[in-house]
This record gives sequence, C-alpha cells and structure tokens, in this order.
Amino acid sequence: EVQLVASGGGLVQPGGSLSLSCAASGFTFSSFAMFWVRQAPGKGLEYVSGISYNGGSTYYANSVKGRFIISRDNSKNTLYLQMGSLRAEDMAVYSCARVVHNSGWYYFDYWGQGALVTVSS
Amino acid sequence: ETVMTQSPATLSVSPGERATLSCRASQSIGTDLAWYQQKPGQAPRLLIYGASTRATGIPTRFSGSGSGTEFTLTISSLQSEDFAVYYCQHFNNWFTWTFGQGTKVEIK
Repeated sequence: EVQLVASGGGLVQPGGSLSLSCAASGFTFSSFAMFWVRQAPGKGLEYVSGISYNGGSTYYANSVKGRFIISRDNSKNTLYLQMGSLRAEDMAVYSCARVVHNSGWYYFDYWGQGALVTVSS
Repeated sequence: ETVMTQSPATLSVSPGERATLSCRASQSIGTDLAWYQQKPGQAPRLLIYGASTRATGIPTRFSGSGSGTEFTLTISSLQSEDFAVYYCQHFNNWFTWTFGQGTKVEIK
C-alpha cells in the first residue's frame, strides 16, 4: 500500500523558517517525481514545488521561488521542503503527492495527509 | 498558463440523483485533465485522468468527459460518501500545474 506521511509542520513567525518531510512507503520511491501541494484554510489546491525522480531537476511556483528548497533522499525514501522567509500567505496544509506520467498525461495518483504550517506572530 | 474554472461553486443534490460538475480551460488542453475528490480532513483522491479514464478502484458511477476547453465530471447516482469537494487539474508544464477552484457537492 502506498503511503505518504508528511511531518514537520508547526507555528512559525513571519520571516522565519521551517522544514517539512514526507516519508514514503509501499512503492519504489526513487522511480517517481514528487511534489508538494498546499491548501490554505478554506481555499483550494495550489502547486508549490516538485522534484524529479533522481533529484536532478527541481520546480517551483513563482510564489515560493527563492524562498523554498525541495530535495529528496532516495536512500531514506523521504521528500523534503525547506521553507524560508515565511509569509502569512504561506500558511496552509502542505501535502506531498506522487506524480504519474501516463500516456502523455501528468497527474497526482497518491497524496499524503499533509502538515499544517501556521505563520503568525 | 492555462486557467481552470469550475462551476458551480456549490452543487446541492439529493442522494440517488445525478450530479454534473463542469471545468473549463482558458485554452485548449486536449484531454490533459484530472479530477480529484477531497473530503474534509482528508487528502485528495484521484478519480479521473486523461479526462475520461477512471483511476484504479474508482466506482463506475464516476465518469469524465470532454476535450479541448470543456470538461464534465458526472456522478450518476450520488451516494452518501460522494458528498465532498471536487477539483479539476491540468498539467501546463513541470513549473506550472493548475487546479480549478473546486466544486462542493452537498446534500440537498
């Protein structure tokens, strides 16, 4: 069974930093691109950042570029997101998701439960 | 960047009835569209990809259709467990994945 479990969320002051982890199990982690998607309270889904299967390529939404860093450790089956210069608008539940490329389509086939990041003074 | 617009924002439906949800793309995207279901406090679940292909384990009452700019998710006979928020999603490129704003299906 595929499982994605995010951790590391918490309360941080504006301008502060926080790191999230996503532990993966039930599949060959090193074969899949992985992404972070967030959801602000009462809002919809927003793509944040992604990383290729081997970590060679990384992708960022314009809203987090230069402030967030995505990485992965395939030996530990873990995805990371280092978040810096946090703003009130970064407050959200952050979920990790597995990407599938199938017949030319790209989509997220499994999602983790998410970690809540609260940005407040 | 392609913008995805869902309608209606809220859909009130009685159990057993049909629900029809719409997703419109700001430009033609072929069939590069996925649908997700999200229940309160839960992670999203993939329902449909490629506009019309059901994901593994998804009941046949869920069906997707459309191409180009107009897409539809149909739930043929709503069950109690289907009341949730539904999102459409398009892959623009590796730097840009866009979601619709969601349609909440609630009990009438």
